[in-house]
Amino acid sequence: DAKTTQPPSMDCAEGRAANLPCNHSTISGNEYVYWYRQIHSQGPQYIIHGLKNKETNEMASLIITEDRKSSTLILPHATLRDTAVYYCIVRSQGGKLIFGQGTELSVKP
Amino acid sequence: GAVVSQHPSWVICKSGTSVKIECRSLDFQATTMFWYRQFPKQSLMLMATSNEGSKATYEQGVEKDKFLINHASLTLSTLTVTSAHPEDSSFYICTGRVVLQETQYFGPGTRLLVL
Repeated sequence: DAKTTQPPSMDCAEGRAANLPCNHSTISGNEYVYWYRQIHSQGPQYIIHGLKNKETNEMASLIITEDRKSSTLILPHATLRDTAVYYCIVRSQGGKLIFGQGTELSVKP
Repeated sequence: GAVVSQHPSWVICKSGTSVKIECRSLDFQATTMFWYRQFPKQSLMLMATSNEGSKATYEQGVEKDKFLINHASLTLSTLTVTSAHPEDSSFYICTGRVVLQETQYFGPGTRLLVL
C-alpha cells in the first residue's frame, strides 16, 4: 500500500474550517484514501474514505485531487472536541490499515 | 457506525503472568479482526490479523508465541500476552472489519501495565 505524508501538527480556530492535507504520490488505481482520528487515550474513530473526487458525510468532506496524488480532509466547523491526531491512510481493497504519524490538530478557542 | 468493545479497559499485572484481552463486535459480524499496539507518543503498530476459524497472521517482528490470538467466532477475538514483562506495557487496540464492507471499526483499547 502507498505511503502517506502529513504535517505533524496544525492549529485551527474554533468555528473555522480545518483543512488537513495528505500527500500520497505513489497511490495506485485501486487504492482508497481513508481518514481516521484518535482522541487522546481512545481507539481510532473512522471519519471518511474515498476513491476519487469528493466524498461528504456528517463529520467531514474529503477532496481528492484529479491525479489522486493528494487529498484534503475538511472539518467544516471545528470544535474543541475535534482536537485529535488525524491519520490519512491509503489502502487497497482487503488490505491492512497501516498508520503513519498523522497530524496533531489543536482546535483553539 | 458499528461498535467494538474491549475487556478489560485497563489491567495491571505482575511480571511473568499472562493477560487475556477480549475484543467483541457488538452489532456486526467481523470475519477479520486486527490487533494493534501503541506506545506513548507513538502511532499504532499492527501486530496481527485474525480470521475467524483460522490461525492469525503476525506482522514481522511480533512474537506469535508471546501474543496468542484466537478468533473463535465472528464476534469475538482474544489476545493473550503470555509471560508479560514491563516492556509489554502498552495500549492494545483491536478492530473488526465488517463482512462485505471495507470500513474498520476500532475498540476503545486496553491499557496494560506490567510491574
